[in-house]
Amino acid sequence: KAGVTQTPRYLIKTRGQQVTLSCSPISGHRSVSWYQQTPGQGLQFLFEYFSETQRNKGNFPGRFSGRQFSNSRSEMNVSTLELGDSALYLCASSPRESSYNEQFFGPGTRLTVL
Amino acid sequence: AQSVTQLGSHVSVSEGALVLLRCNYSSSVPPYLFWYVQYPNQGLQLLLKYTTGATLVKGINGFEAEFKKSETSFHLTKPSAHMSDAAEYFCAVSPQAGNMLTFGGGTRLMVKP
Repeated sequence: KAGVTQTPRYLIKTRGQQVTLSCSPISGHRSVSWYQQTPGQGLQFLFEYFSETQRNKGNFPGRFSGRQFSNSRSEMNVSTLELGDSALYLCASSPRESSYNEQFFGPGTRLTVL
Repeated sequence: AQSVTQLGSHVSVSEGALVLLRCNYSSSVPPYLFWYVQYPNQGLQLLLKYTTGATLVKGINGFEAEFKKSETSFHLTKPSAHMSDAAEYFCAVSPQAGNMLTFGGGTRLMVKP
């Protein structure tokens, strides 16, 4: 079974631009969660989608948004990029909505904002 | 609200020595507890998790952890370190409903030959 895939793997943007990151979960998984990883703040939860509905959201500004499609693929969007948005963005998928089940992480998208 | 504290951002051990990575958590409700490992330029891989039942949990690569409710701890151990164990380790908690992990700051494990 293929793992979680994230595209693109690397991205360079400038301040003020917007960016869209994509995540394809493991086949059959309906839950997708997004995390931001930075040296200063560590790993922080962004949001979780299950069956196309956002179920939980972390403490991030409204510039960060996401969505999930009927095939469970998910995208996250960051508008009006700031230097502090430079990070590794990780996507994780799980078969169900409970954390009892393991979350499988993708390799991440490394975003650099100049 | 939930939080996780990992004592020691860097831990160095000799190959063959005991590995002990410390994790303490706070949670207002019984959480699920996890240990993840991250190798350079890779995502996170689950080592082990505690949900219910036996408090001593065995994971992959010879790691284990013990849930101690009275101490709100979930320390990770491995009897004998291997060079391939060098990586960053994250302790995390999650409420029982919802896939949202709260991570500790991470511990970078270095293994000396």
